[in-house]
Amino acid sequence: EPEVTQTPSHQVTQMGQEVILRCVPISNHLYFYWYRQILGQKVEFLVSFYNNEISEKSEIFDDQFSVERPDGSNFTLKIRSTKLEDSAMYFCAKQGIDYGYTFGSGTRLTVV
Amino acid sequence: KNEVEQSPQNLTAQEGEFITINCSYSVGISALHWLQQHPGGGIVSLFMLSSGKKKHGRLIATINIQEKHSSLHITASHPRDSAVYICAVFSRGSTLGRLYFGRGTQLTVWP
Repeated sequence: EPEVTQTPSHQVTQMGQEVILRCVPISNHLYFYWYRQILGQKVEFLVSFYNNEISEKSEIFDDQFSVERPDGSNFTLKIRSTKLEDSAMYFCAKQGIDYGYTFGSGTRLTVV
Repeated sequence: KNEVEQSPQNLTAQEGEFITINCSYSVGISALHWLQQHPGGGIVSLFMLSSGKKKHGRLIATINIQEKHSSLHITASHPRDSAVYICAVFSRGSTLGRLYFGRGTQLTVWP
C-alpha cells in the first residue's frame, strides 16, 4: 500500500495569510480525512470527504477551512486566514475497502 | 461523542521488559485502532481489531468489546519501540468514518 505523502512537511506563515496543505498521491479510496494535532494534545477530527463531497465535519471546521480534490489525485486543505491557534500538525488520511487507515506524513503548520 | 481514555500516560521500561498499555472508551464501538506516532510526528496504524486478539511480531493487541476495553502488549521491548502509542475508535455500527482518539501513551525504553 503506497504511503500518503503530504506537502509541505513544515510551513511557517504569518497570521492572516492563507495556507494550502496538500496530500499526494491519492489512489482510489473510499474516504479521505483531515485531522490535526495541537502540540501536546490529542489528535482531533476536522473533516471527512467521500465521493468528492464533505460527508462530516467537526465544530473546528468552520468557514475558514475548505477541502478540495482539485485534479482527482491531490487532496487539499485550505485555511483562508490563519490564526495563531491554527498552529498544529495536520494529517490527511485515507481509508479503503478493507477499512484500514493510512495516515499521511503530516504537515507542521506554524502561524506567527 | 466517544471518550477514549488511555493509561498510563507515560511509561518507562528497561529493554526486554513486557509492556502493557490500556485503552477504555465510553460508548460501544465496532472497531478500534492502535497507532504508533514517531518522534517526528508521523502516525502508523499497528492494528485494527473488532474482537479477540491480533499479533504482529512482538506486538499483541486484545479487545473486549462488551467491557469497552483494549490492551496493547509489547513483548521483549526494545529502545526502538520508544514512541507514542495511541488508541482510536470508530463509532458504533461503522468501520468507515472518523476516529475518536485517546491522548496517547508516551513509551520510553532504555537500553
